[in-house]
Amino acid sequence: GAGVSQSPSNKVTEKGKDVELRCDPISGHTALYWYRQSLGQGLEFLIYFQGNSAPDKSGLPSDRFSAERTGGSVSTLTIQRTQQEDSAVYLCASSRWHGAGDNEQFFGPGTRLTVL
Amino acid sequence: DQQVKQNSPSLSVQEGRISILNCDYTNSMFDYFLWYKKYPAEGPTFLISISSIKDKNEDGRFTVFLNKSAKHLSLHIVPSQPGDSAVYFCAASSVGGDDKIIFGKGTRLHILP
Repeated sequence: GAGVSQSPSNKVTEKGKDVELRCDPISGHTALYWYRQSLGQGLEFLIYFQGNSAPDKSGLPSDRFSAERTGGSVSTLTIQRTQQEDSAVYLCASSRWHGAGDNEQFFGPGTRLTVL
Repeated sequence: DQQVKQNSPSLSVQEGRISILNCDYTNSMFDYFLWYKKYPAEGPTFLISISSIKDKNEDGRFTVFLNKSAKHLSLHIVPSQPGDSAVYFCAASSVGGDDKIIFGKGTRLHILP
């Protein structure tokens, strides 16, 4: 596709349930990022992938959060035993490679997660 | 510990006037700075960036100024247009460091008719 896509766009779940969020990056982009934006907060880095490997998982808030990327393309972010504080917009971004400087990150529209 | 701070949650500016969005950072290792714009229900989109070797970068109506000694940058939009109403995120990174982009909390800009 032309841009980064994410699904679902909205997810409402009950506390304690597991959820899976999906990201389709721009074709050919080797780097993929997950961010979270909670109400009134900035974009909080969660994890990034270079290809299929995740060199930096430092932003994952707890061991209930995990992510994988297969085939250097689609990524899924899984949240187990969801809690109300997990409610946020989860944004995915991709870029040609991982690196700062002139290497724009393109964002998807996000998944709004609401945990009741 | 916020490394990138946008102290104004919102800003209202009359159409046609200049909008100035401010951003402060604490990490002296940051050497590349970006502004992203976000409309509701959409992901952020890249707007303009500046490297620490410069103090100004201009792109059409958008200009970013960097004051390294003050660890401060600002985004100027002139003239402001209704379509500029959005949330603006300031971001910073360290090229050759961990290369992660650190975002501020954003400033919501309202352009008044």
